[in-house]
Amino acid sequence: KAGVTQTPRYLIKTRGQQVTLSCSPISGHRSVSWYQQTPGQGLQFLFEYFSETQRNKGNFPGRFSGRQFSNSRSEMNVSTLELGDSALYLCASSLEPPNTGELFFGEGSRLTVL
Amino acid sequence: AQSVTQLDSQVPVFEEAPVELRCNYSSSVSVYLFWYVQYPNQGLQLLLKYLSGSTLVKGINGFEAEFNKSQTSFHLRKPSVHISDTAEYFCAVRDSGGYQKVTFGIGTKLQVIP
Repeated sequence: KAGVTQTPRYLIKTRGQQVTLSCSPISGHRSVSWYQQTPGQGLQFLFEYFSETQRNKGNFPGRFSGRQFSNSRSEMNVSTLELGDSALYLCASSLEPPNTGELFFGEGSRLTVL
Repeated sequence: AQSVTQLDSQVPVFEEAPVELRCNYSSSVSVYLFWYVQYPNQGLQLLLKYLSGSTLVKGINGFEAEFNKSQTSFHLRKPSVHISDTAEYFCAVRDSGGYQKVTFGIGTKLQVIP
């Protein structure tokens, strides 16, 4: 069974640009969550989607947005990039039901903003 | 709101020695608890989870954790570590009711010294 796939794995952008990251969940998983990982901050929750609806949202500015498609694939977008957006962006999928919160992670997309 | 505190950012330990990584959580309701491990340049993978029942939980790679409700703790232990256990370990919590997000601690880097 294929795991969670994130693309691209690495990307470099400059300030002011925008970026779109993609996540394909494990087959059969309908919930997708996004996290931002930076040194010293751990994993910060961005948002969670279930059946194309945003179910939870973290404390990030409106420059961060996401969506989920009918096949459960998800994208997140960051507009007007800032240096502080440099991070590893992790996508995780989960099987529902049961909604125990166990997450299956992709390897992440490492974004560098210059 | 739920939160997680990992008390040690880095833990050095000699090979074949025991180790304990500490985790405390706060929540006003009953919770599910998790430990995840992240090896370099990889996503997170689940080590073990507590949903209900026995407070001593055994996971993969010889790790175990004990849920202590009165002390709101979920410490991770291994009686004898191996070089391959060098990684970053994350404690996570989720409220058991409804569709709640999973909140992670900032992580503990375990460095196993030969």
